[in-house]
This record gives sequence, structure tokens and C-alpha cells, in this order.
Amino acid sequence: QKEVEQDPGPLSVPEGAIVSLNCTYSNSAFQYFMWYRQYSRKGPELLMYTYSSGNKEDGRFTAQVDKSSKYISLFIRDSQPSDSATYLCAMVRNTPLVFGKGTRLSVIA
Amino acid sequence: DADVTQTPRNRITKTGKRIMLECSQTKGHDRMYWYRQDPGLGLRLIYYSFDVKDINKGEISDGYSVSRQAQAKFSLSLESAIPNQTALYFCATSESGNSPLHFGNGTRLTVT
Repeated sequence: QKEVEQDPGPLSVPEGAIVSLNCTYSNSAFQYFMWYRQYSRKGPELLMYTYSSGNKEDGRFTAQVDKSSKYISLFIRDSQPSDSATYLCAMVRNTPLVFGKGTRLSVIA
Repeated sequence: DADVTQTPRNRITKTGKRIMLECSQTKGHDRMYWYRQDPGLGLRLIYYSFDVKDINKGEISDGYSVSRQAQAKFSLSLESAIPNQTALYFCATSESGNSPLHFGNGTRLTVT
């Protein structure tokens, strides 16, 4: 079993939809959880950074961590065509980050 | 100016050639990393460095070497390039072990 599992998609949604992106992990030692967004031909950029279980909101984005289930989610409300990108989850505890393989999202106008 | 700068942005080289990819940063971070990204395989760690005197292998270091010339500079070399090293290469930095990574915009390398 890989340390971090992420459905690669692609995921295609209409503009305005609520998007749910998910990752599961196997290592209960992970303590810090991140979501990155990567546009084509660009480096990944940090979207959300969380430590504890629960929800963290930033504008249209909500990151959710459930440590008991080893499951993290990123919700995007009122999705826009500019949200079309690949989204990568990542997690760490005192080691280099471990990344999911990324989910490719397309938001159709 | 970008905080993490990679040069070149694109490179085409032939099998057997030695090439160097360069990374410099203005974030003042001690930790620097090299990743490669391939379709379907995600980001894979090649090498990382916690300071100028510290170099560590990642999960796919074979065929690669690195040099940490200064706190701000971390170079990746392919001693004898082969076609399956064709990929997108990213340099990244972080402040500490649990901090997020800050990525450059990548070098697209093609080995023919």
C-alpha cells in the first residue's frame, strides 16, 4: 500500500459546482497536511496548510483532516474555470514531504 | 522576481551527455530539494539538503548527483543522460522539516 493515495481523475465539473478532492494515507505519524495547486508548466503552489483534525477555510477553499480515518479533503465552492489545474495533497512529519500523485480538475464554463 | 529560480526552463540534450540544472533561492531557507515529475507518477524526490554540508538521497537518486554550493544554490547533475530521464524537474525550499515547500517553475528536460 502506498503511503498516500489520490485519485488522478480527470475530474470535470460545470462552473459553480462544489468540488471535493480527497487523499487517504497509511502512516499515522503524519501530522501536517497540505494542498498544492499546479497549473500547466508551473511549479506547485501552496493552497492550504493544516496541522490538526478538523476544518480550515480560506475563501472558497476548505481543507478537512480526519486523522482517525487517515483521510483529508479539499473542497472548492463556486468553482471557476481558473480553478482548472492539478491538485496535489502532501503530508509530513519531520521528513521530506510525501505527495499524492495529483488530481486533474477541469471546470467548464 | 521569483523566490526560487530554476535555469534553464527548457533543455534538450542527447543520450550520454552530462548536464546540470541550477536552482537559486532568495527565501533564506536552509532546506532545498530536487524532484522530478512524470505523468502518472507524480512528484518523486531525487535529493535533498538540510544545509550546505548535508546531502541526502531521495527515492530515485540513481543516475543523478547534486552540489550545494551555498545556502542559496543547489544544482542537479545528470552524469550521462538517458532518455528515461526525460521529465519535468523541480527545485524546492523549506524553512523546516514540517514546513511547506516552495517550488520553482521547473525545468523541462528532454533526452533524445
